[in-house]
Amino acid sequence: EVKLVESGGGLVQPGRSLKLSCAASGFSFNDYWMGWVRQAPGKGLEWIGEINQDSSTINYTPSLKDKFTISRDNAQNTLYLQMSKLGSEDTAIYYCAIELTTEGLFDYWGQGVMVTVSS
Amino acid sequence: IQMTQSPSLLSASVGDRVTLSCKAGQNINNYLAWYQQKLGEAPKLLIYNANSLQTGIPSRFSGSGSGTDYTLTISSLQPEDVATYFCQQYNSWLTFGSGTKLEIK
Repeated sequence: EVKLVESGGGLVQPGRSLKLSCAASGFSFNDYWMGWVRQAPGKGLEWIGEINQDSSTINYTPSLKDKFTISRDNAQNTLYLQMSKLGSEDTAIYYCAIELTTEGLFDYWGQGVMVTVSS
Repeated sequence: IQMTQSPSLLSASVGDRVTLSCKAGQNINNYLAWYQQKLGEAPKLLIYNANSLQTGIPSRFSGSGSGTDYTLTISSLQPEDVATYFCQQYNSWLTFGSGTKLEIK
């Protein structure tokens, strides 16, 4: 069974950084693209970015490219999202997801982790 | 690529045939997915490649369309289908529509 569990969220002050983790199990982690999507309270879904199997290709939505960094550790079956210079607009639930069928398609999602940016 | 969903809110009765629309800003070559998000839950993949049903999804859900115009149809609405439905294109980068909230009348 595919399982994705995000962690590392919480309350963070504006301008600070935060690193989220996504622990994966139930599938061969190093065989698939992985991605991050966020959802502000009461809003729609926003694609953050994705990373390929060996980290040689990482794609970001243009508006977040300079703030967020995606990485992965295949030995630990873990996906990461490093977020910097956080502002109130980054308050959201952050989901990790696996692109199982094809690149760009999110077959399974984690339960999400809440990040609140506030002083 | 901008994705426009309509309507934003849809109210229908149990047993109704329901149609949700998604329009892309340019041809997306059927690289279109539909997700269902129930309140407080993560999104779930329903349809991919415009008309392929994800494993485990009830057959009352179907997708159609081509070019820029796509549709999600629920053939007979059930109470458990209350949710917000998002379309997503993966032809060029990735973008989501703003969602259609489906409720029972």
